[in-house]
Amino acid sequence: AQSVTQLDSQVPVFEEAPVELRCNYSSSVSVYLFWYVQYPNQGLQLLLKYLSGSTLVESINGFEAEFNKSQTSFHLRKPSVHISDTAEYFCAVIRYNQGGKLIFGQGTELSVKP
Amino acid sequence: ETGVTQSPTHLIKTRGQQVTLRCSSQSGHNTVSWYQQALGQGPQFIFQYYREEENGRGNFPPRFSGLQFPNYSSELNVNALELDDSALYLCASSGHGLAGYNEQFFGPGTRLTVL
Repeated sequence: AQSVTQLDSQVPVFEEAPVELRCNYSSSVSVYLFWYVQYPNQGLQLLLKYLSGSTLVESINGFEAEFNKSQTSFHLRKPSVHISDTAEYFCAVIRYNQGGKLIFGQGTELSVKP
Repeated sequence: ETGVTQSPTHLIKTRGQQVTLRCSSQSGHNTVSWYQQALGQGPQFIFQYYREEENGRGNFPPRFSGLQFPNYSSELNVNALELDDSALYLCASSGHGLAGYNEQFFGPGTRLTVL
């Protein structure tokens, strides 16, 4: 069975500080990896994804994540956060050739303080 | 191009009642997936519909059922509501191709409260 573990339920950080949100997964088969962001009272938005190729993937708003197969991790990082990055972040996986079933972690609440 | 829409936005029901939630998929998408997000949790996959047929189901009892219509919109029906069914219900639409992965686009969700 697959599972996704987000190691921190809450991450408070000051504005302009760096941040890392940790994600580990377990799976007996290869997976695709995702980070989604959820702002208060809204649905999920895809932040970035790893399907194949370069293990470092980037989003348009400065986030990046690195796929580490040996450690089965897909940690999300940003070198300098803004107040507007305050949101819930979810790591998720999909098994190869099982395009419908996203399996999510429990979420990490990122709180950026001035 | 319109995105994924869901109705209603909020709903309050009592235990034992039945509820229907609706989802309109994004233009050009033929697949709809439903997820349940309990408070403080990540979303959990309920089921997926492709071309009006169920195409995968998560660990939810049969009282959770769905439909997909010829225009690819979808309904989620829950019978005999329980208190634990209180959650945000998310719909996601996607294409369905041979590539093995099709990005899912999420709607804003329906907040269901069961009293």
